[in-house]
Amino acid sequence: ELKVEQNPLFLSMQEGKNYTIYCNYSTTSDRLYWYRQDPGKSLESLFVLLSNGAVKQEGRLMASLDTKARLSTLHITAAVHDLSATYFCAVAAYSGAGSYQLTFGKGTKLSVIP
Amino acid sequence: DSGVTQTPKHLITATGQRVTLRCSPRSGDLSVYWYQQSLDQGLQFLIQYYNGEERAKGNILERFSAQQFPDLHSELNLSSLELGDSALYFCASSPGTSGHSGANVLTFGAGSRLTVL
Repeated sequence: ELKVEQNPLFLSMQEGKNYTIYCNYSTTSDRLYWYRQDPGKSLESLFVLLSNGAVKQEGRLMASLDTKARLSTLHITAAVHDLSATYFCAVAAYSGAGSYQLTFGKGTKLSVIP
Repeated sequence: DSGVTQTPKHLITATGQRVTLRCSPRSGDLSVYWYQQSLDQGLQFLIQYYNGEERAKGNILERFSAQQFPDLHSELNLSSLELGDSALYFCASSPGTSGHSGANVLTFGAGSRLTVL
């Protein structure tokens, strides 16, 4: 059974600071997704990482994937209040017949404090 | 608006009852996924359909069932409801079964919040 662990689960950081969220997973996969969820809202896709060494950047967020270490990171640069949300990583496992099943981590609740 | 439509947005019912949640996928998407989100369990995959056929099953209880219709909308039926079934139920859709190519990103709906009293 695929297990996905995120840490930290809660993160309070000051505006302007940098931090990294880690996503470890237990079995081989070469596709990993990062999502953002605002309170009471749906999940919004941020990044899709499809190969070892993949790096994607959007604004103050950068995601990377190391399939050998079974690790993805989401790096936040110079945090601003608008980044406050819960961030999920999700790892795809092949479930047969051309389908992939996503297993989500528990999420990292990020609060950016002025 | 993500393009994935879920109804109802909120539902309050009593234990032992049965409810149906509905999902219309994004235009052109053939796969529909159902997820349950609760505070203690996080986001749990329930079931996936592709073009009307069940493709993957996760932690779905026997009291729950789902189907995808020819017009690709999907329904999740929850019966003999218990207090612990209170949760946010998300539907997501994707272009399809991408095999070993393509990102096949899941687009989530706004969710249906179920409260069982």
